[in-house]
Amino acid sequence: AQSVTQLDSQVPVFEEAPVELRCNYSSSVSVYLFWYVQYPNQGLQLLLKYLSGSTLVKGINGFEAEFNKSQTSFHLRKPSVHISDTAEYFCAVSFTSGTYKYIFGTGTRLKVLA
Amino acid sequence: GAVVSQHPSRVICKSGTSVKIECRSLDFQATTMFWYRQFPKQSLMLMATSNEGSKATYEQGVEKDKFLINHASLTLSTLTVTSAHPEDSSFYICSSQMEGVSGEQYFGPGTRLTVT
Repeated sequence: AQSVTQLDSQVPVFEEAPVELRCNYSSSVSVYLFWYVQYPNQGLQLLLKYLSGSTLVKGINGFEAEFNKSQTSFHLRKPSVHISDTAEYFCAVSFTSGTYKYIFGTGTRLKVLA
Repeated sequence: GAVVSQHPSRVICKSGTSVKIECRSLDFQATTMFWYRQFPKQSLMLMATSNEGSKATYEQGVEKDKFLINHASLTLSTLTVTSAHPEDSSFYICSSQMEGVSGEQYFGPGTRLTVT
């Protein structure tokens, strides 16, 4: 069965510092990988996705992630964070066929400190 | 492109009444729509998957008679919470998959349901 683990429930970081949010997954079949951001009382906004091709994926707002098949990871990074990046971040995987249901991680709350 | 709307954004209802939440894909046709529930400070929990013109597939533990899902067209799915109780209070989010495009779901802004 598929599963997604986001080990860090909260990550505090100072403004303009780099950040990495970790995501590991478990699956016996090929998957698509996604990172979403959620601001309070809002839906999810796609930051970036890996479907195939280059393992380094660049997304919106200066975020990027690298797909590492051997380590089954898809960590999210940003070289310099802003106060406005404070939000909840979710990693998700889906099958590459069938209904494409998502399995979400438990989320990581990024808090950017001034 | 790929905009999904939900209506209402916020609803308060009395215990025992029913409430309907609409999910629309505004600029694309959605073969599949998903309904999620999110409790405060928690992740999204998939409730059901619906395909246009067919019955929804509910996840284990989700009461299909309580959470009625109708996917009447390629752009509209509705979730009706029947005989709502305070424990049904939650944030409900829908998502849509674009016809012919695999992998990605597009999320609505969510509906905050409060049952008093």
